[in-house]
This record gives sequence, C-alpha cells and structure tokens, in this order.
Amino acid sequence: DAKTTQPPSMDCAEGRAANLPCNHSTISGNEYVYWYRQIHSQGPQYIIHGLKNNETNEMASLIITEDRKSSTLILPHATLRDTAVYYCIGQGAGNKLTFGGGTRVLVKP
Amino acid sequence: EAQVTQNPRYLITVTGKKLTVTCSQNMNHEYMSWYRQDPGLGLRQIYYSMNVEVTDKGDVPEGYKVSRKEKRNFPLILESPSPNQTSLYFCASRSTGPYGYTFGSGTRLTVV
Repeated sequence: DAKTTQPPSMDCAEGRAANLPCNHSTISGNEYVYWYRQIHSQGPQYIIHGLKNNETNEMASLIITEDRKSSTLILPHATLRDTAVYYCIGQGAGNKLTFGGGTRVLVKP
Repeated sequence: EAQVTQNPRYLITVTGKKLTVTCSQNMNHEYMSWYRQDPGLGLRQIYYSMNVEVTDKGDVPEGYKVSRKEKRNFPLILESPSPNQTSLYFCASRSTGPYGYTFGSGTRLTVV
C-alpha cells in the first residue's frame, strides 16, 4: 500500500469549503485513493474513493492529479458535524488498509 | 440496516482471562478485518480475512487469534490478555472490488 502524507491539522470556517490535501507519490497503478473520517472515537466512516478520475458523491468531491501523486478531498460546505480526523489511504486489491496520522479538521462557527 | 456489529462495546477484564470480541456483518462481505487504535499510534491492523477459512496476519497480530468459520462472523480472541492489549478495537468489512470498508462502532477493552 502507498504511503500517504497529510497535514496534521487544519481549521475551516462553517459554511465554507474545506480542501484537504494528500500526497501519495508512491501509489501504484492499481491502487485506489480512499478517504475515511473518524469522529471522536467512533468507527471510521468511508467517504469517497477514486483511481484516476475526479469523483463526487453526496458527502464530498475527490480531485486526483493527472500524475496520481496527490489528491484533494473537498467538503463543499463544511458544518460543525464535519469536525473529525480525515484519513487518505492508498488501497490495493487486497485486504490491507494502512492508516496514517490523518488530518484533524476543526470546523469553527 | 447494513451494518457491522461488535460486542461488547465496553469490557473490563483481568490479566490472563480468555475473552472473545464478536464481530458480525449482514452485507455478505468477503473481506473482514480487525484494528486496534491507541493514542499516538493510530489505527493498526491486527488480522484480516479474505473469505471463509482464509485469514492472515496484519501489522500487530501478537497475542490475538481469529477465526472465520462463517462468512458473516469474524471473532477476535485474546487467549491470555495482558494490560498492553488495553485499546479501542474496530472490526470492518467490505465486498471484493473497489469498495470502502464499513466499520463497527468499536469495543473499548481494558485489561487490569
């Protein structure tokens, strides 16, 4: 699995877009980029994933650079309930899922 | 409702007393996995299973056992718990293919 690098923390204003960067320069061609978040000590929650193309769902958008070495998770209108630790993970076909330190996002009113 | 169910949610036990944390999923997922989460160390994979009777070690398997006799269940067994196994444990499952994991609500284990 690819090693990923994320900023340890960031603040975001409520109602504004939150852009969370992730570097995954060692990702291999068949590894997807996954994003999860964990609120307090709850179980991590799947957000979105992508391989090459940008993706959007009801929770977020994922922008992957053309060289696939980095990506950005976009929360379009952050709310206080989006305060969480966000994890970017490179995941292949197997069952291995390696969590890094993640980005602690604090949404402020 | 599609979910991963762990039991118990909280458990305090004594050193050396065998215990089992159960995990069950109702989504017919092939892949299941156990993680522990500790302050400063993040989430670390203990064991995983790719289908019935197929299990393998993750990053921190010492002191743990698992079994996968049925597709829906993946219990975590601590034969002789020690205080360094005090942690927050999560079970997760997913289907084959590029799908995200569904995590359980966690089991907070304290070994005294």
